This record gives sequence, C-alpha cells and structure tokens, in this order.
Amino acid sequence: GNSVTQMEGPVTLSEEAFLTINCTYTATGYPSLFWYVQYPGEGLQLLLKATKADDKGSNKGFEATYRKETTSFHLEKGSVQVSDSAVYFCALSDWGSSNTGKLIFGQGTTLQVKP
Amino acid sequence: NAGVTQTPKFQVLKTGQSMTLQCAQDMNHEYMSWYRQDPGMGLRLIHYSVGAGITDQGEVPNGYNVSRSTTEDFPLRLLSAAPSQTSVYFCASSYSRFAPSYEQYFGPGTRLTVT
Repeated sequence: GNSVTQMEGPVTLSEEAFLTINCTYTATGYPSLFWYVQYPGEGLQLLLKATKADDKGSNKGFEATYRKETTSFHLEKGSVQVSDSAVYFCALSDWGSSNTGKLIFGQGTTLQVKP
Repeated sequence: NAGVTQTPKFQVLKTGQSMTLQCAQDMNHEYMSWYRQDPGMGLRLIHYSVGAGITDQGEVPNGYNVSRSTTEDFPLRLLSAAPSQTSVYFCASSYSRFAPSYEQYFGPGTRLTVT
C-alpha cells in the first residue's frame, strides 16, 4: 500500500542554518504531495504542496520538489529561524488507490531551532 | 470564517465511559474526516464523510462511530472508552475528496486521556 517515510527527529539547528528534512514515498498512480506544519499546541497547517512530477512547492522560504524518479519530496529552507520550531509532516493524497480522499502521513519530524 | 472548530480541547475519561467529540466547519466543505495522532505514528484516518448522510470507515475505525446529518457538523462518538484511545484527535475538512490537490483544513485538536 501507499506509505510515507520521513527522517527521524528531532532535528536541532542553530538560527540561520540550512534545513533539509527527507521524505520518500511509495505510491501507485500519481499522488499529490504535501508538507504540513504543526506548531506547539495547534492543529496542522498546510505549508506547501506539489501535484505532479517536477513541481516545486514553496512557501515562507520553504521549498520541496516532487521527484518521481527518486520518489522523494524533501523539505528545504536556506536559513531557519527560531519561529520555525515545529513538527513537520510529509503526506500524500491517497487518490486513485483507495479513493477515500485520505492523506497518508509520515511519522513527523520535530525541528528545534536555537538562537 | 472560523474554519474548523473542535470541542472540547481537553478531556479525561474513565474506561467504559462514552463521549462525543464535536467538529464543525463553516466553509461549506463536502469532505470531512477524523484522524488520531499518536507519537511516532503520524496521523491515521478513523472515519470520513463525503457529504451529508454519507460516512465510511478509515484505517482505524474500531471503537468509534460517526454521523453527518448536516454539511457543517461531523461528531465522533466513543462508545466505550479504552486506554488505547488515549490520543490527540483532529478533525479536517476539504472542498472535495475528488480533487486531491485541494488543501485539507485541520481543527486545533482534542487531547483525550482515558484512565
């Protein structure tokens, strides 16, 4: 079945460091890919998305490219801030496989940015 | 718009008790769903609905019931609470499940503890 695998956390960085959070997926068909962010005590918010191969999603300085050849959707940011501290979830839409419309999530990666 | 709202924010139950977690959205979204979030496991789909009067099971439906009498509301019922249901519960909505690129909007979550 479809699945998403994220790098293990937590990830601890100093402010202004470069961030990469790895995400790989297994899926049949052509799923859409998403990154969601969860700030402490809050629900999930969509950070960025890509709907087809080679698409690049970007938002708030974060970006990720849909790589079908490597089945990856790695999240990157050139210079992180303390306010980026959160849990990041990679997800894919289960469209065409089970037709439930559900999102399949990775286990989440906690990012802590220190001043 | 209030978006997706959930009540209560926190709840403690004793084993065997029943309760209803409330979820409402004011965006006229067709698709609504319930997820549970457990450490190291990401989010898993409990139940979903593609419109008023239509519900179906997700991947972890046992011990939960749902109904959808209106477009706006999608309550989740715990019939007889068990410690294994200790989790954070998120309600989400989306314009349509037939449009995988559409964003799913998440509520703030309900943190449930079963003793």
